[in-house]
Amino acid sequence: GQQLNQSPQSMFIQEGEDVSMNCTSSSIFNTWLWYKQDPGEGPVLLIALYKAGELTSNGRLTAQFGITRKDSFLNISASIPSDVGIYFCAGQKPRSNDYKLSFGAGTTVTVRA
Amino acid sequence: DSGVTQTPKHLITATGQRVTLRCSPRSGDLSVYWYQQSLDQGLQFLIQYYNGEERAKGNILERFSAQQFPDLHSELNLSSLELGDSALYFCASSVSGKYNEQFFGPGTRLTVL
Repeated sequence: GQQLNQSPQSMFIQEGEDVSMNCTSSSIFNTWLWYKQDPGEGPVLLIALYKAGELTSNGRLTAQFGITRKDSFLNISASIPSDVGIYFCAGQKPRSNDYKLSFGAGTTVTVRA
Repeated sequence: DSGVTQTPKHLITATGQRVTLRCSPRSGDLSVYWYQQSLDQGLQFLIQYYNGEERAKGNILERFSAQQFPDLHSELNLSSLELGDSALYFCASSVSGKYNEQFFGPGTRLTVL
């Protein structure tokens, strides 16, 4: 089952709006990754975070690695129609030699034109 | 294009049958991961191989098996298929090591009738 709690589950946003989604866990993670998945496609890596407190941007996307190492958030600024899709957070636990990722359930984003 | 390729794109088969899904990682990546994505379970880690050796196992059924070949491509074998095995199966690859940025292939959609 899912180890990461991702919220909101879905959102309708107005074009031009800034939006935010987050991911929390009861466990500490060493790495947080944010992916976007379009229908029928594989997840595409958006941002990778490796250090507690780290704030990283990729165009209109900004993500932060929470200082407790148990959470992360993703912001999308000035939403456009192509931001539609499902956004997943993923984390990797420390002292893990296998590097497998645990995924959140996803946030479905729909943009109102 | 992530550089990870998967074949076939779609697969339709009957219960009780056996299928093989194929994945070629990005050039230079030594680790291959298999994930299952279904509507009710989200993205679930199945198994990881690193340079030909099994590194980690997740929620993989005994009816499923995988291997990674010397040229680093990987195959996921699913046998005695059941209706509930219908899902999207993704392969991801990474260089492995500390910075675990996993890149996903386009997936194989398996339908078991």
